[in-house]
Amino acid sequence: NAGVMQNPRHLVRRRGQEARLRCSPMKGHSHVYWYRQLPEEGLKFMVYLQKENIIDESGMPKERFSAEFPKEGPSILRIQQVVRGDSAAYFCASSPLPGAVGELFFGEGSRLTVL
Amino acid sequence: KQEVTQIPAALSVPEGENLVLNCSFTDSAIYNLQWFRQDPGKGLTSLLLIQSSQREQTSGRLNASLDKSSGRSTLYIAASQPGDSATYLCAVFWGYNKLIFGAGTRLAVHP
Repeated sequence: NAGVMQNPRHLVRRRGQEARLRCSPMKGHSHVYWYRQLPEEGLKFMVYLQKENIIDESGMPKERFSAEFPKEGPSILRIQQVVRGDSAAYFCASSPLPGAVGELFFGEGSRLTVL
Repeated sequence: KQEVTQIPAALSVPEGENLVLNCSFTDSAIYNLQWFRQDPGKGLTSLLLIQSSQREQTSGRLNASLDKSSGRSTLYIAASQPGDSATYLCAVFWGYNKLIFGAGTRLAVHP
């Protein structure tokens, strides 16, 4: 059973471009979480999704950021018009159950650098 | 406000020592607590998950305890090895759909 797969592992964008980060959860997991880790800071919750539904996006910046988890395919975190402050590691986690019960398994992360 | 605090922020020890990493949290009404390991430039590896009804969990040389009433968890590492060098993260699930992380303890075990 493969782990949580994230790609790309490293992404470089210039200011104003778009970044798309993909996350394939572990097989059988229908709960996906996105976290951001700024340099020298802790992990901060961004969004929690189940298949085709955004359950909690209270950690997402109000503008430029969006997430989806379609019926088929990976979860996507999309950042439009990137700025230097978006440079960070973005981690995806999946769980077979809601987080109150299930263990979260994290991917290796996608490291975004904005020039 | 629900917060997780980890002490110490950094720790450097010689190989073979038994270690204690501390995690404290506000609000004892937790669902579960999870300990992770993060190596530089890597993702998070889940070490132990403790449900709110449990007092401790063990895996190999690792033992994690949970005292909900005092808002504390402890990760005990027996007979530390250089390969244990990493950042150890404590995370608490209070419901509301999110794990909240502490800032971590950076551990260096030298030969």
